[in-house]
Amino acid sequence: EPEVTQTPSHQVTQMGQEVILRCVPISNHLYFYWYRQILGQKVEFLVSFYNNEISEKSEIFDDQFSVERPDGSNFTLKIRSTKLEDSAMYFCASRLDTYNEQFFGPGTRLTVL
Amino acid sequence: QKEVEQNSGPLSVPEGAIASLNCTYSDRGSQSFFWYRQYSGKSPELIMSIYSNGDKEDGRFTAQLNKASQYVSLLIRDSQPSDSATYLCAVNSKSNTGKLIFGQGTTLQVKP
Repeated sequence: EPEVTQTPSHQVTQMGQEVILRCVPISNHLYFYWYRQILGQKVEFLVSFYNNEISEKSEIFDDQFSVERPDGSNFTLKIRSTKLEDSAMYFCASRLDTYNEQFFGPGTRLTVL
Repeated sequence: QKEVEQNSGPLSVPEGAIASLNCTYSDRGSQSFFWYRQYSGKSPELIMSIYSNGDKEDGRFTAQLNKASQYVSLLIRDSQPSDSATYLCAVNSKSNTGKLIFGQGTTLQVKP
């Protein structure tokens, strides 16, 4: 069964460093998302991406964040200068259209020291 | 008012019982509703989707939707210890991007 994959599973970085989180969505899906979940809190939307451009972003998704689909399979989230409060689980998700099921990858645990 | 509300629990039920999980949402225009299961440290796993009023059954799971009351529920029949997890209610936002708005989640404990 097709699934969303994410790498790395755990990333440890120093404050101020850049990180890139990678995702491979399900191959025939058209809509891609990043969410994050701070420990003990709810899953929060970061950004949605469709047709090679951002379709919506949350207040969390400030200038330090960017997304890219560099080729036909990968979808990346870059944090330019990490802060302590960026420590969280980051989930990539994809769906075929905007109303049916959305499937999540296993997540990347980002720890900022 | 929170957009999607769930009782955080924990909800404790004995093995074999029915677990009932509830969720309310604020946007009357929402059209798509989902239940995800999340084990500690893992990602949300889709259990059920429901789009129209009424019940939808899939194995031991039944989702119920009442748009007039802005209420979604999940029933788990014959609960097993392996069902112990946090159950997340998610609603499609009114924007047309398909982003999901999640509730805080209800922690279910099924005791053997």
